[in-house]
Amino acid sequence: DVKVTQSSRYLVKRTGEKVFLECVQDMDHENMFWYRQDPGLGLRLIYFSYDVKMKEKGDIPEGYSVSREKKERFSLILESASTNQTSMYLCASSSRLGAGTDTQYFGPGTRLTVL
Amino acid sequence: EDQVTQSPEALRLQEGESSSLNCSYTVSGLRGLFWYRQDPGKGPEFLFTLYSAGEEKEKERLKATLTKKESFLHITAPKPEDSATYLCAVRGGATNKLIFGTGTLLAVQP
Repeated sequence: DVKVTQSSRYLVKRTGEKVFLECVQDMDHENMFWYRQDPGLGLRLIYFSYDVKMKEKGDIPEGYSVSREKKERFSLILESASTNQTSMYLCASSSRLGAGTDTQYFGPGTRLTVL
Repeated sequence: EDQVTQSPEALRLQEGESSSLNCSYTVSGLRGLFWYRQDPGKGPEFLFTLYSAGEEKEKERLKATLTKKESFLHITAPKPEDSATYLCAVRGGATNKLIFGTGTLLAVQP
């Protein structure tokens, strides 16, 4: 079974703090993704990575950065947390396009609250 | 612009009362339509992938179908444990990106 894990289930931070969210997958997937999920807005893509040290902006990258130093690990960084970044953050991974199944598998999510 | 619309937003069923959820999409060159189930406070759990019109897939009480404009998730004789939010997503063109709908919240009462 594909397993995607996220470093925290719940996180409370203060405005202006630097926040790190970490995601690890154990299926040797090339692609990894970070989404945020808000009521009424659905899942929105923040950043994704298709290889180590490679990254591409998604639909809402402002205020975020990412790091992928190892194939199995993808980190989301909030440089200076703000209250409008309070949300559920979801990590996903998938095989590269054309490599058999390309379904995205999700982690359990991190509920981040910024006070 | 690629878009996914799910209906209804919420659905309440009695146990055993079959129904269908709808996912309408517009995308240039469909490269996959995905159904997920999401329980409160958890990440989405993969259910099905459909790639071409006419394709159908089944899993227990769930059956997903696909046409050129929409997909249906049919739920036969649902049980309370089927209560969840069901998400639909599409991928178009040569991209890794998924476009998600906002989901249908299903509640099955005993």
